[in-house]
Amino acid sequence: AQSVTQLGSHVSVSEGALVLLRCNYSSSVPPYLFWYVQYPNQGLQLLLKYTTGATLVKGINGFEAEFKKSETSFHLTKPSAHMSDAAEYFCAVSRSGGYNKLIFGAGTRLAVHP
Amino acid sequence: SQTIHQWPATLVQPVGSPLSLECTVEGTSNPNLYWYRQAAGRGLQLLFYSVGIGQISSEVPQNLSASRPQDRQFILSSKKLLLSDSGFYLCAWAGTDNSPLHFGNGTRLTVT
Repeated sequence: AQSVTQLGSHVSVSEGALVLLRCNYSSSVPPYLFWYVQYPNQGLQLLLKYTTGATLVKGINGFEAEFKKSETSFHLTKPSAHMSDAAEYFCAVSRSGGYNKLIFGAGTRLAVHP
Repeated sequence: SQTIHQWPATLVQPVGSPLSLECTVEGTSNPNLYWYRQAAGRGLQLLFYSVGIGQISSEVPQNLSASRPQDRQFILSSKKLLLSDSGFYLCAWAGTDNSPLHFGNGTRLTVT
């Protein structure tokens, strides 16, 4: 069975500081991994995805994530936080039988303060 | 371009009343369609998915049902709502098994 653990339900950073949101997964098969962002009362927007190939994946809005098989991790980073980055972020792993049946983590709410 | 619509955006319903949430996709044909529920402080739980008209797979036993009467229409229903049905319901679509999910803006359901 596949699962996703996001460490830290709330993360707070200063504007301009590094953003690091942690995600660990378990999967019995090579995983497809995703990060989504959700703004209040809205649906989820895809930030980036890893399927195969290069383990460092770049996404929208300056975010990137690195797939580390040995650590079963897929942490999301951004070098410099903007106020507009405040949102909830979800890590997800694909399930067997088609990679868009996703299993989501519980989410990490990112706060950015001046 | 493809768009996905969900309505209503918010809904307050009494316990025991029926429910119908609708989702439609434009600009694509034969999409895979999904209903997810997001409970407060929790991640998203896949409720139903559909790979074609009339084809519905249920992921968890529950008080809800889904139907796909047309290619780009996906409906979430209940005959009698429970308090535990409260949550944020998200519809999503994908073009194929190997494309990412695209989500609607969700419906916030409060059962009182």
